[in-house]
Amino acid sequence: GENVGLHLPTLSVQEGDNSIINCAYSNSASDYFIWYKQESGKGPQFIIDIRSNMDKRQGQRVTVLLNKTVKHLSLQIAATQPGDSAVYFCAEILTGGGNKLTFGTGTQLKVEL
Amino acid sequence: DTAVSQTPKYLVTQMGNDKSIKCEQNLGHDTMYWYKQDSKKFLKIMFSYNNKELIINETVPNRFSPKSPDKAHLNLHINSLELGDSAVYFCASSQLGQGEKLFFGSGTQLSVL
Repeated sequence: GENVGLHLPTLSVQEGDNSIINCAYSNSASDYFIWYKQESGKGPQFIIDIRSNMDKRQGQRVTVLLNKTVKHLSLQIAATQPGDSAVYFCAEILTGGGNKLTFGTGTQLKVEL
Repeated sequence: DTAVSQTPKYLVTQMGNDKSIKCEQNLGHDTMYWYKQDSKKFLKIMFSYNNKELIINETVPNRFSPKSPDKAHLNLHINSLELGDSAVYFCASSQLGQGEKLFFGSGTQLSVL
């Protein structure tokens, strides 16, 4: 079946460095690709999304890149801070498919001081 | 004010028991969801309701029965609990037409002994 997967289960970065979290997807029909952040003991929180007809979108300290040729999605976090430590999930949705959001397996980001 | 609130936060029970988890959202959203997160952090949708109508019903045992008395509430009742039901259950909601942007509750940690 279709699935969304991540390359690395754990990523450690130094405070102040940039972080890049990668994701591979397989459903090329998805309309949106999304990144969620889940802090310990909390529910996932929406960070940023990108439509399938775009290749880059920027938010506050975050940038999402979409490469449809190789079905790859990445989340870049600039000047990583301790508060960025969390599990990050990529997700995809096919809006005509009942609006079912499908999550990837998650990457644990650890920020070292 | 909590946007999506679910109770209880922790639920410890014996196999074979019946239990319920309640969820309420004060965002005025039309769509609500239940997600299950396993020990490996994998998030999988169970159900979604749009204005009290069941929209998505994934392959979930009949022991799980969602109930939506109104569009602000979506409760989850589980009969005859099994060990494999142990997980964190998240309620979420979204605006109609914005299924990519979910607002999650803080989760209910269910432990079946």
